[in-house]
Amino acid sequence: DSGVTQTPKHLITATGQRVTLRCSPRSGDLSVYWYQQSLDQGLQFLIQYYNGEERAKGNILERFSAQQFPDLHSELNLSSLELGDSALYFCASSSPSGQAMDSPLHFGNGTRLTVT
Amino acid sequence: TQLLEQSPQFLSIQEGENLTVYCNSSSVFSSLQWYRQEPGEGPVLLVTVVTGGEVKKLKRLTFQFGDARKDSSLHITAAQPGDTGLYLCAGFSYNQGGKLIFGQGTELSVKP
Repeated sequence: DSGVTQTPKHLITATGQRVTLRCSPRSGDLSVYWYQQSLDQGLQFLIQYYNGEERAKGNILERFSAQQFPDLHSELNLSSLELGDSALYFCASSSPSGQAMDSPLHFGNGTRLTVT
Repeated sequence: TQLLEQSPQFLSIQEGENLTVYCNSSSVFSSLQWYRQEPGEGPVLLVTVVTGGEVKKLKRLTFQFGDARKDSSLHITAAQPGDTGLYLCAGFSYNQGGKLIFGQGTELSVKP
C-alpha cells in the first residue's frame, strides 16, 4: 500500500461531460503529481502541485485543470470529455521536503476513465 | 517523440531465463528511476540511480546507469513468474522543466 488514495476507481461517462478525480497523498507528502496512462502514449506527466501551488506543468490540455487544497488533497477536473480522454489517471505524491524534484514518487492505484 | 526509449516493448520468457531491459535517451538525466507496475495498480519504485556508471543490485535485479547518464539497463537473473509486470524507467532532468519523464515501458511475462 503506497498510502496514496484515489477515488473513484472507475468512471464511465459520456462525451461532453465533466468529471472530477480525487487524490489524497501519503501522510506528510507535500507534492502531488497527476499522470495520464494510455496504451499508445504511456505514462504522460500532466501537472505537479507543491503545498497548494502549481510547480510544474506537462502536456495538460486546456480542458483539464487541477488544484491542491490546504489539506493537501488534490483534484483533477476533466471537462468537455472526448473519446480520446479514456485512460488511466494516476496521482502520485513525493517526499515532504519538496526540494529534490527527482524524489521517488508514490503512486495511487489510479482512476480508470471510460468516455463513451 | 519519446524522450526515453525502452526496449524491448514486450518480452515473454520462461522461468529461469535471464533478461535485460534497456532505457535510452539522447538527453542527459540527473537521475533515473525504475518502477514496476502490475495490472490494476500504480507503478512502484524499484531503484533510483544518480551517478554515471552506478550499479545497484536488488536481489536478482541489477540496475546500471550509463557513464554519460543518458541510458540505463535492468538485468534480471533467473526470472520468476512473480517478476511479471510492466517495467518503467523514468528520468529526471532540469532541462525538461524539472519533470520526471517516463519511458513507454517493457511488458515482461515470465511463464512457469
